[in-house]
Amino acid sequence: DQQVKQNSPSLSVQEGRISILNCDYTNSMFDYFLWYKKYPAEGPTFLISISSIKDKNEDGRFTVFLNKSAKHLSLHIVPSQPGDSAVYFCAASVGTGTASKLTFGTGTRLQVTL
Amino acid sequence: KAGVTQTPRYLIKTRGQQVTLSCSPISGHRSVSWYQQTPGQGLQFLFEYFSETQRNKGNFPGRFSGRQFSNSRSEMNVSTLELGDSALYLCASSLMGLATYEQYFGPGTRLTVT
Repeated sequence: DQQVKQNSPSLSVQEGRISILNCDYTNSMFDYFLWYKKYPAEGPTFLISISSIKDKNEDGRFTVFLNKSAKHLSLHIVPSQPGDSAVYFCAASVGTGTASKLTFGTGTRLQVTL
Repeated sequence: KAGVTQTPRYLIKTRGQQVTLSCSPISGHRSVSWYQQTPGQGLQFLFEYFSETQRNKGNFPGRFSGRQFSNSRSEMNVSTLELGDSALYLCASSLMGLATYEQYFGPGTRLTVT
C-alpha cells in the first residue's frame, strides 16, 4: 500500500516557467513532509520541508504548499532552470523524532527544456 | 567534510548468492539508515542503526540484515538473493537521527541479480 503517491512519473517544463510537482498521501498521521532532489548517480539531497502546522514554506525559488484536508502537497519551482532537471521525491513522516521513519513517494522526473 | 560513501558502486550477483554492501557515514554522524530504491516502489526504508544498535526496521524479510561498527560504518547483507532484489541501495547518515531532514545520502550501490 503506497502511503505517499506521486502520480506523475514525469514532467517537462520550459526554462523560466513554473514547475509544479504534486504529491498525495493517505496516512493522516503524517505531520512532516519533505522534498528531495536526485541527480543520476548521486544520492537524494534534501530540498525543502514543511510541518503540518504550516500550509506554506518558501526557500528561494522553491515553495512547498500543504493542503491537509486534501492530504496533498505540492512543490513549486519558479523560475525553472535547466539545472533543476532531476528526479524529485516527496517524503512524509510521523513526527521528527527519528530520521528513519521516512516514507517516500515513487518520484517525478522533471525535465526543464531550453 | 567528506560525504557519505558507499562501496561497491556496482555489483552483479547470481540468484541464491549473498552480498554485503558497505556505507561510511559523514564523520561524526552516528545514525545510518538503509533504503532500497526500485522504479515502481520509490525509496523503501530497510533499517536504521544508531551507536551499533538497530533502532528501527522496515518491512523486509529476514534475508536483509545489517550491522554497525564502533566507528559508525555500516554494512548491509542480503542472503539468498532473488531477482527482485535488483535495486539501488542507498544509505543515509545523520548526526543523531533526531531530525528527519538531516539525512545525507550516499550515491548508492546498484545491485543486479541475474
